[in-house]
Amino acid sequence: DQQVKQNSPSLSVQEGRISILNCDYTNSMFDYFLWYKKYPAEGPTFLISISSIKDKNEDGRFTVFLNKSAKHLSLHIVPSQPGDSAVYFCAASENAGNMLTFGGGTRLMVKP
Amino acid sequence: EAQVTQNPRYLITVTGKKLTVTCSQNMNHEYMSWYRQDPGLGLRQIYYSMNVEVTDKGDVPEGYKVSRKEKRNFPLILESPSPNQTSLYFCASGDRGLARTEAFFGQGTRLTVV
Repeated sequence: DQQVKQNSPSLSVQEGRISILNCDYTNSMFDYFLWYKKYPAEGPTFLISISSIKDKNEDGRFTVFLNKSAKHLSLHIVPSQPGDSAVYFCAASENAGNMLTFGGGTRLMVKP
Repeated sequence: EAQVTQNPRYLITVTGKKLTVTCSQNMNHEYMSWYRQDPGLGLRQIYYSMNVEVTDKGDVPEGYKVSRKEKRNFPLILESPSPNQTSLYFCASGDRGLARTEAFFGQGTRLTVV
């Protein structure tokens, strides 16, 4: 059973608008969360992360929100740009370990 | 240039023929890991290594072996590949653990076992 789920396989957004990518998890021991972006024929690249002691982390156009009670996190991209079109993976880990559990990914398409 | 290099990028092989996928990083990272990516399942961790001669199983280690004889290299070995190991494989490295900070990924190896 997948402990990290991204229920939307794809998302299409107009350039300049907000993109919201969602991620749900079931393991209450997860205490650190990361987002990775992946372009075709390339490896994933790190985007942003958040510790469970926070509920928000911001880096330029990217903001991650964490709702621990709902076991839900979301990535907001504002404003969305065509270059943001990629597959986005959320990942989680517990207790300073070295094991990362990934969600299935969401393909974001930003239309010009 | 800081990078993680995997070879080969593409490989088609037959069931049962041993193969090795190499991974090398030039960032002096202590931590390295192998993942496989399958549609709808995201990336799943196969094995990871915290330093030379220190390795541990991830979520899906069955059918795979690894070794870490040098800090920069972390090869993935399939002793007897089967069709269910057809997948896209990624190697990653990090300097402060793989799950608490940015990990650097290779470009991937697409393996087909027929």
